Amino acid sequence: GQNIDQPTEMTATEGAIVQINCTYQTSGFNGLFWYQQHAGEAPTFLSYNVLDGLEEKGRFSSFLSRSKGYSYLLLKELQMKDSASYLCAVKGNTPLVFGKGTRLSVIA
Amino acid sequence: DTGVSQNPRHKITKRGQNVTFRCDPISEHNRLYWYRQTLGQGPEFLTYFQNEAQLEKSRLLSDRFSAERPKGSFSTLEIQRTEQGDSAMYLCASSLAGNSNQPQHFGDGTRLSIL
Repeated sequence: GQNIDQPTEMTATEGAIVQINCTYQTSGFNGLFWYQQHAGEAPTFLSYNVLDGLEEKGRFSSFLSRSKGYSYLLLKELQMKDSASYLCAVKGNTPLVFGKGTRLSVIA
Repeated sequence: DTGVSQNPRHKITKRGQNVTFRCDPISEHNRLYWYRQTLGQGPEFLTYFQNEAQLEKSRLLSDRFSAERPKGSFSTLEIQRTEQGDSAMYLCASSLAGNSNQPQHFGDGTRLSIL
């Protein structure tokens, strides 16, 4: 079967760093995506990992370990506008399978 | 640059009615996907097209659901004899075919409420 696990909710302080973890079990592996989704809006693409290691893109970084079935999204210098749901999605042998998302609240 | 467009944004209908949603993908994208999302959940895959060919349908997709992409551009998703459990956000996404690293770009969705 296919299973993707993420924490349901997280809270962090403005200016801080937060790490959102994702573990997965899928049939095949052809890459892992992170999306951001503000309430009532479309998911927007943040990052893609297919090889082990860290991909950095501005304040956001994403890490992948294929042997452990594990990824994380790292958000630095948190801003209030980063309050949103963060979705981990894995492309296996089928179209994208999404986790339930992690709702991040950034507080002052 | 026009993104993925979905219409209508909201649809309220009585149980048992048929509804149809439309999705206009990014113009150069040849892949188009339909997802359903309920509160507190991630998007759930329904079906996808490459050009006009429907390549995959979720096993969870009831036969009350049908999707078309007749000319390989816009797509429609129809739900017949709607049920209360069909209440959800229906998201459309598009992407380029090719390498797995092509991200899907989502529309703002159609929120369906069944009374």
